Amino acid sequence: DAGVIQSPRHEVTEMGQEVTLRCKPISGHDYLFWYRQTMMRGLELLIYFNNNVPIDDSGMPEDRFSAKMPNASFSTLKIQPSEPRDSAVYFCASSRTSGDADTQYFGPGTRLTVL
Amino acid sequence: SQQGEEDPQALSIQEGENATMNCSYKTSINNLQWYRQNSGRGLVHLILIRSNEREKHSGRLRVTLDTSKKSSSLLITASRAADTASYFCAPHSGGYNKLIFGAGTRLAVHP
Repeated sequence: DAGVIQSPRHEVTEMGQEVTLRCKPISGHDYLFWYRQTMMRGLELLIYFNNNVPIDDSGMPEDRFSAKMPNASFSTLKIQPSEPRDSAVYFCASSRTSGDADTQYFGPGTRLTVL
Repeated sequence: SQQGEEDPQALSIQEGENATMNCSYKTSINNLQWYRQNSGRGLVHLILIRSNEREKHSGRLRVTLDTSKKSSSLLITASRAADTASYFCAPHSGGYNKLIFGAGTRLAVHP
């Protein structure tokens, strides 16, 4: 398996622009997680889905952030409008209910810089 | 789920030495996991120990779990420069597969 795939790997944008981050989980995994990592705040869980349904979005910092999972193989995290304080590395991870349940597999991350 | 607290925050050792990192948590768990993060990369799962297990090995890794003290330790034996990374513990209390990560232990292994 190719693992969790994220795109783009790097994104540089200007304040006020819309940013869309993409994630393809491992096939057969029914959980998908979005995290944000900064030096100041560490690794924060933003939102996670089970069977394409958002379960907990309490970590989403504000209304500028939204996430969707239209099908089992694709999810997006959108920031509109973006701000400099959104600069961070955003990780997507997936896991499954059976087998090695609870183990999360992380993607390589998207490094976002908002100027 | 709950957040684990890793200790120490940073550890610096020479190649060949052993590295020990500790994790404490607050409430009962189903299992506890350890992850590694190399600089600029995503987290990689290392090992999972269940609440009814006391010790588990994987290669040069040894994990112990003391549920009475609500603590776990990760031992890396004969460390290598490639072990330089941040290490995170994630106690899991069941239910949805949600994990909450703490600040981690930054390990530096010098050649």
